[in-house]
Formats: sequence, structure tokens, C-alpha cells
Amino acid sequence: DTGVSQDPRHKITKRGQNVTFRCDPISEHNRLYWYRQTLGQGPEFLTYFQNEAQLEKSRLLSDRFSAERPKGSFSTLEIQRTEQGDSAMYLCASSPTLAGGHNEQFFGPGTRLTVL
Amino acid sequence: AQSVTQPDIHITVSEGASLELRCNYSYGATPYLFWYVQSPGQGLQLLLKYFSGDTLVQGIKGFEAEFKRSQSSFNLRKPSVHWSDAAEYFCAVGLSGTYKYIFGTGTRLKVLA
Repeated sequence: DTGVSQDPRHKITKRGQNVTFRCDPISEHNRLYWYRQTLGQGPEFLTYFQNEAQLEKSRLLSDRFSAERPKGSFSTLEIQRTEQGDSAMYLCASSPTLAGGHNEQFFGPGTRLTVL
Repeated sequence: AQSVTQPDIHITVSEGASLELRCNYSYGATPYLFWYVQSPGQGLQLLLKYFSGDTLVQGIKGFEAEFKRSQSSFNLRKPSVHWSDAAEYFCAVGLSGTYKYIFGTGTRLKVLA
């Protein structure tokens, strides 16, 4: 299967700890996105990469959050000093760069974070 | 500010009945429009999309959606629902000048046997 993969699928941590999530996009996709989804809500955009360049960040991405895509392939999302409000599903998506503006984003299964 | 509204949080239909899920958006121009489905433990799967052209679009699993510019709506329909359609459905818009999506809050569909 060559879909978007995310690791880990579940993470339980204590408040104040740091966590890091990984996303492997579909190999030929050069755009990569991170979203956060809380219970009863739709996904909310966090950040977007075109290859290794981080081109857009949401105001939701506080200074405790950092995302990287060092070689334009996989990406990591790190949350420092986790808070209970960070508990959510973190979704990664990727899309190709094709003519015509928006292209379908392919989503991974998500990483569910629980902060105790 | 741009927004997407899905007025129905929960919908329950009987298997074999028709279905319509509502989606309204707030945006000055015509956005790119999408419907995704999310089953428990699964990632979001694209059902259909509208970029331009014919305002009635066909998607996978027998779903279709109609774009109505005058109503700023993009409602999802299916003529006959199957028990396997039980899931959460999200409408999303893509805006010019950015590649992010804005999602609605979702509609959870329950199918009665």
C-alpha cells in the first residue's frame, strides 16, 4: 500500500512531556499538510510544506509546536511541554503539484494524542 | 472570514432510504469544494470534488453532490443508503491563494437496518 502513513497511531503522554509524530506521504507528492482534529470537530489546518519549505502556518501552531520536512520526504511534528488541550487527532495529508490549483489531499490514519 | 457550515450534526436514515447532507460555505468567490468520509479508525477518504464546470458531480460509492452558487451550497446526496455508509461526513473548501482546506464540523450518519 502506498498511502500516507503516520506513526505512532496512538500516543499517551503526561502533561509537560515532549512528543514527536512522523508522517510519510505518498512518495511522488511534494505537498504535505498537518491538521488537528478534536472531538466533534472537523480537521483544522496547522501547517503546509511544499517540498522542504514550510510555506504556511496557522495561528493554531503555537511556539510549542514545530514541524519539519528536512529532505522533502517525511515530516515530523513536535509538541513541546504538552498541555491537556493538545489532546486531539493529528492528521497528515499529502497532494501532488498539478496544474489547476487545489488538488485532492490524501489523508493518513492520524495519530491520536492523549495528554494526561 | 471564510467558513463552512454543516447544519446537521447527526442524521439517521433507514437502509435503502435516500440521503441528503447539507453544506454551506461563506466565501467571496467560488471555492474548490470537497466531500470526505471518515469511518472509525480510518483516514479521511475523498468522495467527490468540484472545481468548475458541470455543477452536478458524481463520486465514489454512489454519491453525488450539486453546487448551487446562488445558495453557496454543495449538498451531498445518495439515492439509496447502505448500512456500510454509516460514518462521519465532512465538507471542505479550498480557497485561492492557499492550499489548505477549511472543513465543516461534520455530519455523523447512522443507518438503521
